[in-house]
Amino acid sequence: DIQMTQSPSTLSASVGDRVTITCRASQSISSWLAWYQQKPGKAPKLLIYKASSLESGVPSRVSGSGSGTEFTLTISSLQPDDFATYYCQQYDSYPWTFGQGTKVEIK
Amino acid sequence: EVQLVESGGGLVQPGGSLRLSCAASGFTFRSYWMSWVRQAPGKGLEWVANIKQDGSDKYYVDSVKGRFTISRDNAKNSLYLQMNSLRAEDTAVYFCARNREITYQSAFDIWGQGTMVTVSS
Repeated sequence: DIQMTQSPSTLSASVGDRVTITCRASQSISSWLAWYQQKPGKAPKLLIYKASSLESGVPSRVSGSGSGTEFTLTISSLQPDDFATYYCQQYDSYPWTFGQGTKVEIK
Repeated sequence: EVQLVESGGGLVQPGGSLRLSCAASGFTFRSYWMSWVRQAPGKGLEWVANIKQDGSDKYYVDSVKGRFTISRDNAKNSLYLQMNSLRAEDTAVYFCARNREITYQSAFDIWGQGTMVTVSS
């Protein structure tokens, strides 16, 4: 199975900060990577697919980059609605696997 | 409105069975691969299984192979997960999710609200 490792596990930031979350795959997954945002008690929400494609309706302050084994999710200017947990997911090889999550907290 | 609504969760004893359902609306259900994804309390997300548009292909995570069966009824716009021989470690919120693309290799763009399954004596 492909292991997905996110860093950091927790991130403390302030409104307006630029934040970056990293996701590393245990083997190359080309660009078959998605990023999701999840808030407590809610379903995940798709932000980015194919590593860098922005899902419709997602603010342009969110962006994704990378290919192969290293990927990043960047929020250029953190907003109050962005405090949540973020997960990466590979869909290159079965079983699809998720990172362990990165919680973005208010500093 | 594009929507997925899960049902069928509950409390079940170890070794027991449960059947989850996911009702789809607002889109052409028969055109999409569908998945089940679960989340244990306080933990991360785990993909469980998926099924092709016509039900001819199904894939599972190893931990549920031989115990869980994914199926669908396109006439009823419904996805199912039959869970047998349940274990404590199957305790989780179970989400159904739709592939964004019509191919199997896709992110999930639509999710249900989840249904809680608790396996305990």
